[in-house]
Amino acid sequence: GENVEQHPSTLSVQEGDSAVIKCTYSDSASNYFPWYKQELGKGPQLIIDIRSNVGEKKDQRIAVTLNKTAKHFSLHITETQPEDSAVYFCAASAGFQKLVFGTGTRLLVSP
Amino acid sequence: KAGVTQTPRYLIKTRGQQVTLSCSPISGHRSVSWYQQTPGQGLQFLFEYFSETQRNKGNFPGRFSGRQFSNSRSEMNVSTLELGDSALYLCASSLEGTGEMNTEAFFGQGTRLTVV
Repeated sequence: GENVEQHPSTLSVQEGDSAVIKCTYSDSASNYFPWYKQELGKGPQLIIDIRSNVGEKKDQRIAVTLNKTAKHFSLHITETQPEDSAVYFCAASAGFQKLVFGTGTRLLVSP
Repeated sequence: KAGVTQTPRYLIKTRGQQVTLSCSPISGHRSVSWYQQTPGQGLQFLFEYFSETQRNKGNFPGRFSGRQFSNSRSEMNVSTLELGDSALYLCASSLEGTGEMNTEAFFGQGTRLTVV
């Protein structure tokens, strides 16, 4: 079955710096790759997603890139702010709404 | 537009009991998925329902079951509770999932189940 690896497990940056989180997947049939942000006591919140027919997608300070050949995708956050501090999860899916999640990255943005 | 609503938010149950969790999806969404989140295993897919039919199932024992009603609301049931079932149970709703093409999944706040 699908396996998603996510790195790093923790990431500490200074406010204003960029943060990059990387994921690799194993199932070549995966065609949908969302990213979620989870704050303490809340459910995961979808922040951006990308489909297999697209190499890059950007939404303000957040961007995601996908390399299908290498089976990896990355989340880039620029100009980080303290409110970006949370746990971020990548996921991959081959359809039927089944998401396979990475193990999460705890991002800490220090003022 | 209201988001995904899960009830109850917190539950404490005793080993051997059963529990039913409820999920009301976003209005107009027809697909409901359930996930279990634990510190050790992370987020794991339980099952997905679309138009009252289970379309996909994860690797969980038969003690975990679910259903979906005609109004798209869903319930999941866990029978013969074990200590290891303590987790945050999350429900996600999607507009519709036509097979291979996923649509965006929006999560509720979850139900925190503690088994003692």
